Amino acid sequence: KQEVTQIPAALSVPEGENLVLNCSFTDSAIYNLQWFRQDPGKGLTSLLLIQSSQREQTSGRLNASLDKSSGRSTLYIAASQPGDSATYLCAVVPYYGGATNKLIFGTGTLLAVQP
Amino acid sequence: GAGVSQSPRYKVAKRGQDVALRCDPISGHVSLFWYQQALGQGPEFLTYFQNEAQLDKSGLPSDRFFAERPEGSVSTLKIQRTQQEDSAVYLCASSPGAAAFFGQGTRLTVV
Repeated sequence: KQEVTQIPAALSVPEGENLVLNCSFTDSAIYNLQWFRQDPGKGLTSLLLIQSSQREQTSGRLNASLDKSSGRSTLYIAASQPGDSATYLCAVVPYYGGATNKLIFGTGTLLAVQP
Repeated sequence: GAGVSQSPRYKVAKRGQDVALRCDPISGHVSLFWYQQALGQGPEFLTYFQNEAQLDKSGLPSDRFFAERPEGSVSTLKIQRTQQEDSAVYLCASSPGAAAFFGQGTRLTVV
């Protein structure tokens, strides 16, 4: 059974700092991995999607890497801003051979960027 | 519409009541998912539709939970005889392929 773990559970950094969020998964048979952001009381916003054949994706100050063989992904946020404060969720689409592209989520990392 | 829309945003139900949660996906998206998110946890998969066909309902926690998408667009998640453990945020997502687009969710509180 695929399990996704995120470390740390919470992180507080001063504004301007670069930071790394970690995600690990137990089964390397995945279609893709996605990083989401969730603001309090809101839904999920997709940040980056990495296909299983890719090693990394970049969008602005965000960079996500994928090492499928070791079951790890990192989300790197450069020059953090208070507006980056949110919960960051990692999710994988496991390869079950079926038709469902369902996401298996970690429990998230709560990030607070202090001004 | 521009995104996935869910209604109501908040629902308080007395234990034992039936509730219906609505999801309007992005127009043209074939795939539709329902997830349940308990407080402090990541979302957990409930069920999946491809057009009007419910292809996977393995995540539905009990036979009190029922979902439908009769015309391949709007979907309804129904919970019968609600219990306190049903309190959670229910998220709907639609997808044209790989990426998933989520609604803001319905927060259900069972009292």
